[in-house]
Amino acid sequence: GESVGLHLPTLSVQEGDNSIINCAYSNSASDYFIWYKQESGKGPQFIIDIRSNMDKRQGQRVTVLLNKTVKHLSLQIAATQPGDSAVYFCAENRNTGFQKLVFGTGTRLLVSP
Amino acid sequence: DTAVSQTPKYLVTQMGNDKSIKCEQNLGHDTMYWYKQDSKKFLKIMFSYNNKELIINETVPNRFSPKSPDKAHLNLHINSLELGDSAVYFCASGLGQGNSPLHFGNGTRLTVT
Repeated sequence: GESVGLHLPTLSVQEGDNSIINCAYSNSASDYFIWYKQESGKGPQFIIDIRSNMDKRQGQRVTVLLNKTVKHLSLQIAATQPGDSAVYFCAENRNTGFQKLVFGTGTRLLVSP
Repeated sequence: DTAVSQTPKYLVTQMGNDKSIKCEQNLGHDTMYWYKQDSKKFLKIMFSYNNKELIINETVPNRFSPKSPDKAHLNLHINSLELGDSAVYFCASGLGQGNSPLHFGNGTRLTVT
């Protein structure tokens, strides 16, 4: 399934499905992007990052795609598991010298067994 | 050996009171941040300190006063608490420059009654 991160929408998938979470960023000068996972009662946890000179980066079960032309970022999670249930945020670095990470609105992912 | 630790985890207080939240990181980072997460899960940067010096202040009311006694600590003091201050406050640390992720604490849930 797919979702766009506005007003904390919810993406519901079945265990084993692939999930796609989308994010639109606002600043064309942003040069670094991060996906974070936030579980209930915890802080955001780093998942994967990508620099603006790349358009794809893969990790373990996760892939981030960056389309600078339309200022769009996506997180693909393969074989989604119940433990992947959380709120996912994209963040962009508006690099004005010192790092300043600006977060998107987040998407809640619910994985049912 | 928590990397970024905040205390307290929960804070309930009445309007008009003054309260502090403490944050410590053992990652050796030079830069620390405070973020505020509202009821809709939106994460907004408040402050950033680099080597004890303020480098980012995102138009936060001056009732909020961060203090950094050394680069491993960034405390947040809030005067004259208001209902709208109720939120979850996250401390984070990072390298400050270059493209690298921030590491977050598990948050302090502040409830003002």
